Amino acid sequence: EADIYQTPRYLVIGTGKKITLECSQTMGHDKMYWYQQDPGMELHLIHYSYGVNSTEKGDLSSESTVSRIRTEHFPLTLESARPSHTSQYLCASSGLGEQFFGPGTRLTVL
Amino acid sequence: QKEVEQDPGPLSVPEGAIVSLNCTYSNSAFQYFMWYRQYSRKGPELLMYTYSSGNKEDGRFTAQVDKSSKYISLFIRDSQPSDSATYLCAEAGGTSYGKLTFGQGTILTVHP
Repeated sequence: EADIYQTPRYLVIGTGKKITLECSQTMGHDKMYWYQQDPGMELHLIHYSYGVNSTEKGDLSSESTVSRIRTEHFPLTLESARPSHTSQYLCASSGLGEQFFGPGTRLTVL
Repeated sequence: QKEVEQDPGPLSVPEGAIVSLNCTYSNSAFQYFMWYRQYSRKGPELLMYTYSSGNKEDGRFTAQVDKSSKYISLFIRDSQPSDSATYLCAEAGGTSYGKLTFGQGTILTVHP
C-alpha cells in the first residue's frame, strides 16, 4: 500500500543529543517536504527536496539538516538538540500537486 | 499581508449543521487548491483537491473555488462529531510549484 511513514512517532531526549527523524514514502513521489508545527499553530516549511541529491531550505529557518540519497527516504537530523526544538515534525511528499503527510514525530527536548 | 488568509474561527456547530469554511488568497499564480483536515496530534489528511473554478463534491464535502474573486470554500453537510478537527486550506502554483502555501487553520467543533 502506498503510504508515507515517520519514525519515531514520539521522542523525548536530553539537550545536546544528536537525533535523526526518519521519513520514507512508497508513493513514488519525487518531491518531499519537512514541516514544523507547534500545538495549535501553523505549519512552517523547514526543508524540501525535488529529487535525489536536491535539498533546499524552507520558509522557516531551522538548525536541522536533511539529505536525499534515495528517492523514498528523506531523513532530518538535529546535531545538538535544544529545548527550543521541541515541536511536531511532519514529513510530506507530492507528485503533481497535492501533498500527502505522514503521521508526524512529536519531539520533546528536556 | 499573508498570501493566504483563512477565517480563524473557532467554529462550534450542532450535529447535522452545514459548515462553511473560507479562505482568500492574493497570489494570482495559484493554480491548485486543497483542503486538509488535521486531528489533534496527527498529520494533515487531504480532503479535497481541485485546480479549476467551480464546485467539486465528494460525499458530504464540497469544495468551491472562485478564481476571479480569489476565494475558496469548503462546505460540510450533515456535520458529525467526527468532523471536529482543524481544517487547513492550501494553495500551490506559479514559480513555487510543488510548495504549498497554507492558511492558518480553522478549528471546528461539532456538538452531538
